[in-house]
Amino acid sequence: EVQLVESGGGLVQPGGSLRLSCAVSGFTFSDHYMDWVRQAPGKGLEWVGRTRNKANSYTTEYAASVKGRFTISRDDSKNSLYLQMNSLKTEDTAVYYCARSVVVAAPYLDYWGQGTLVTVSS
Amino acid sequence: DIQMTQSPSSLSASVGDRVTITCRASQGIGSSLAWFQQRPGKAPKSLIYAASSLQSGVPSKFSGSGSGTDFTLTISSLQPEDFATYYCQQYNSYPITFGQGTRLEIK
Repeated sequence: EVQLVESGGGLVQPGGSLRLSCAVSGFTFSDHYMDWVRQAPGKGLEWVGRTRNKANSYTTEYAASVKGRFTISRDDSKNSLYLQMNSLKTEDTAVYYCARSVVVAAPYLDYWGQGTLVTVSS
Repeated sequence: DIQMTQSPSSLSASVGDRVTITCRASQGIGSSLAWFQQRPGKAPKSLIYAASSLQSGVPSKFSGSGSGTDFTLTISSLQPEDFATYYCQQYNSYPITFGQGTRLEIK
């Protein structure tokens, strides 16, 4: 069974940092691209970024709203995905989901974790 | 960035009804379009990918169509568990973008 479990959310002050983790099981993590998607309270879904797999040199893509502040990384030996968030702003308050990408012509998101809440407030 | 616009933003329907949600891309995206269902307090769930391919395990009451800029999600024979918010998403180019969502409510 494919499982993705996020952790690391919490309350942080503006300007602070937080690192989210996503532990996966039930599939060969190293084969897949992995994404982060967030959802502000009462709002829609916003794509945060993606890390490709080893075969694609672990390259990354980011949304403009987080580029230069957030960094996506992964440890294939630990079946884990990470989101390092720096210089946090109040508008980064959201539930953060990790999601698996599967490539069928183009990579799309097929499995999602349950999410972890990040609150940026003083 | 490619803008995704869903219509309607909300929709009221009855159990047993058939409904259609539309998603329009601001530029052509081929068939790189996915649909997700999100129930309150839950994570999104994949329904459709490549515009019309059904995700494994998703019932055939869900169907998708379209290509280029105009896409539809149709849900037949609505059941209580189908009342949720639905999102389209383009994955043709970066940044990946979502529609604003369509909230499907019980009439």
